[in-house]
Order: sequence, then structure tokens, then C-alpha cells
Amino acid sequence: DTAVSQTPKYLVTQMGNDKSIKCEQNLGHDTMYWYKQDSKKFLKIMFSYNNKELIINETVPNRFSPKSPDKAHLNLHINSLELGDSAVYFCASSQGTGGRSGTEAFFGQGTRLTVV
Amino acid sequence: GNSVTQMEGPVTLSEEAFLTINCTYTATGYPSLFWYVQYPGEGLQLLLKATKADDKGSNKGFEATYRKETTSFHLEKGSVQVSDSAVYFCALTFSGGYNKLIFGAGTRLAVHP
Repeated sequence: DTAVSQTPKYLVTQMGNDKSIKCEQNLGHDTMYWYKQDSKKFLKIMFSYNNKELIINETVPNRFSPKSPDKAHLNLHINSLELGDSAVYFCASSQGTGGRSGTEAFFGQGTRLTVV
Repeated sequence: GNSVTQMEGPVTLSEEAFLTINCTYTATGYPSLFWYVQYPGEGLQLLLKATKADDKGSNKGFEATYRKETTSFHLEKGSVQVSDSAVYFCALTFSGGYNKLIFGAGTRLAVHP
């Protein structure tokens, strides 16, 4: 049983296309995240939802739009893809949002997006 | 602001060697500190964590101690194995940050037989 699953695992697409990445967690967590890992392995948060409500929206182009239909799902839609969007996108989930509690985040296996 | 600085890699060791990966942080208040590990082609997994000063996190032979006076959380292992080859990320979360992880740049470890 995969705790946090993302689809697809690999995505190759042309510039200008629109694509979506889906994420589902079966841990019963109420908070989900999208992180971006660039080619140098640097990880940065993009978005977070708590109980379907957007709580973190870092400086990300508005071509990126997250959608959370329920607390177990968080999808990422990207419009007008650019070469610079090529990266690995990780979905994660955790229980609660308390920063001091040391709550563990569980990560999916990542979606490697390549824009050509 | 909040940030994490890790030693640059790659770190290359022979099997059974001692490992240290340095991590220092800047944060307001009292962050929680984490080490995550990323094996090739996989997502991140929590390796260990510490939530207050002088706490020691440990798992799979790895240890790290939360040192408030030096704002550090160095990762150590007494005897590494080839299977420990991975990228290691130091990270923090902070109060009021909605549990978002602030990551260091990652340190690649390669262990040779």
C-alpha cells in the first residue's frame, strides 16, 4: 500500500502544453504539499493545503495552479509549460500544521517533468 | 529568515568509515530539525528528527543532536555501508510555518566497498 502516490512518474511534453500531476494519500492526513526539486537537487515548497484550504502559496508563477478536491488529493496543473519548469515535483502529506511539533512529512516518489 | 546550510558534497567514503555531514541553521524561535534521505529514483524519507535543544535523533545507526548554542544538527554514523549511498537533506520547520520544510541543498554520499 503506497502511502503517498503520484501519477505520472515521468512526463515529457512540449513547450506551451498544459499538463497535470495527480497526488493521493491514504494516510488520513489533513495537510498536503507540493515541492519542486531542481536539477541541483534543491527542494523548495510551492503550495500547501490543509483540509482543502490553501495555506501556503510561495512565489510561484500563476501558470501553476493546485487543486484539492478533498483532503486526500492534491493535484497540480501547469499551463503553458516552459523549459524552466523541467524538474522533479514531489507531493507530500502530514498530519496537522503545527510547526513546533516535529510532524513528519511523507513524500511521494516524485514526478520527473521534462519540457522539450 | 529561516534557512539551512549543509556541507557541500559529494562525500565519498569507504565502507565502514565514519560519516559526518555538517548542518547549521538560522531560524527565529525554536525550530524542529530533521534529516531526510533520498535514495536514487525515490522520494524523501525521514531519517531522524529532534524537536528541542539537546534532543538526539537516531535511526539505522545515524545520529544527530540539536545544538542550540551552535545552531547545528550534524549527522553522524559510525560505520557506513554501501547501502547508505544516497542524498541527505537537513531541514527545519518553524512555529507558524504551517509545517513547511525548509531544506538545505542536500549532500550526496557515495560509499564504496
